[in-house]
Amino acid sequence: DTGVSQNPRHKITKRGQNVTFRCDPISEHNRLYWYRQTLGQGPEFLTYFQNEAQLEKSRLLSDRFSAERPKGSFSTLEIQRTEQGDSAMYLCASSYRTGGTDTQYFGPGTRLTVL
Amino acid sequence: DAKTTQPNSMESNEEEPVHLPCNHSTISGTDYIHWYRQLPSQGPEYVIHGLTSNVNNRMASLAIAEDRKSSTLILHRATLRDAAVYYCILRDVSGANNLFFGTGTRLTVIP
Repeated sequence: DTGVSQNPRHKITKRGQNVTFRCDPISEHNRLYWYRQTLGQGPEFLTYFQNEAQLEKSRLLSDRFSAERPKGSFSTLEIQRTEQGDSAMYLCASSYRTGGTDTQYFGPGTRLTVL
Repeated sequence: DAKTTQPNSMESNEEEPVHLPCNHSTISGTDYIHWYRQLPSQGPEYVIHGLTSNVNNRMASLAIAEDRKSSTLILHRATLRDAAVYYCILRDVSGANNLFFGTGTRLTVIP
């Protein structure tokens, strides 16, 4: 069973450019999460999907951010008009939850550097 | 979800047991206690979770106080590979779906 994969692992872009990250969850996991982590801090929640439906967004997810999960499989996170403050590690996690608590499995992350 | 308090850092000698504490005085009856860890340059990794009783798995043990206001993650024999940031997280089964990480405890393992 392969784990969560994320591509690219690193992305360097200039301020104002658009970037898109991809996350491939563990197969058959119905939930997919996006987090952002800046240096020295723990990951912060951005948004999550149950199957293809985006059910929750953090206030951290500004209008420049959009996430999709077509067909409830892989997900993409796009940042438009990037700013230097967007520089961070973007983490994806997936889980299977039907009730009670669940365990989230994280990918290795995509490190974004905005110049 | 209720918040947790952890020491910023701890040190341990290799091959000795490590006890990582977590205080969660405002825990509710439906909060699970989860532990994740994050090795350098990697995404977080699930370690263990429990509700009321102590739990053991191949990675660690979780000791939960009788009043549930604190818990301790126990690594029975620290290795260099256990050097990581350890996060204690509460999850209400009926509440938020995301994990609230906080800043965790940075564990240094001394050879």
